[in-house]
Amino acid sequence: ILNVEQSPQSLHVQEGDSTNFTCSFPSSNFYALHWYRWETAKSPEALFVMTLNGDEKKKGQISATLNTKEGYSYLYIKGSQPEDSATYLCASYRDDKIIFGKGTRLHILP
Amino acid sequence: DADVTQTPRNRITKTGKRIMLECSQTKGHDRMYWYRQDPGLGLRLIYYSFDVKDINKGEISDGYSVSRQAQAKFSLSLESAIPNQTALYFCATSEYNGRYNEQFFGPGTRLTVL
Repeated sequence: ILNVEQSPQSLHVQEGDSTNFTCSFPSSNFYALHWYRWETAKSPEALFVMTLNGDEKKKGQISATLNTKEGYSYLYIKGSQPEDSATYLCASYRDDKIIFGKGTRLHILP
Repeated sequence: DADVTQTPRNRITKTGKRIMLECSQTKGHDRMYWYRQDPGLGLRLIYYSFDVKDINKGEISDGYSVSRQAQAKFSLSLESAIPNQTALYFCATSEYNGRYNEQFFGPGTRLTVL
């Protein structure tokens, strides 16, 4: 994988349900993997940065895991709330370059 | 006060006009970036600068130029705007800590080229 790929592109989840989505990135020369949360009409804001294989990070009901050997990261949201509606971007940092994925657009349904 | 500011926030211009977007930061970061966002395409890097004397092309630099006037200021110019440069433009800063490079984004400039 040369690019950063995120799946799915878009996701509709019922309020209260849990969900997860994937970021795939080049595993060679890996430095760090960033997750950003981007609400409509706002700027992206950093959620997590992970650097080590097996890293797990948690912020409230949102958590992320990292597998640098196979080049993927999962973002989990437990018990989705309306305020979780946003685009979630991941970005791979390698060779002093940052490459963003296209994002997963999460819609929480009431 | 916002740490990363962009002016203008919205701009409508005509094909062929020269336009400058400005970015200022009070975070004291050395690294600054310009991205554009188009629906379905995510964030794409236009130019970046690691310090005042350093300018680097990003993924989509054609049709754009930049100027790093000071550590705190990084301007993006469209020499002769064309309609497919209509997009949302973000400036970002970062401070590399030896391992990762978290980006701090400005509020964005919505540019429309008619």
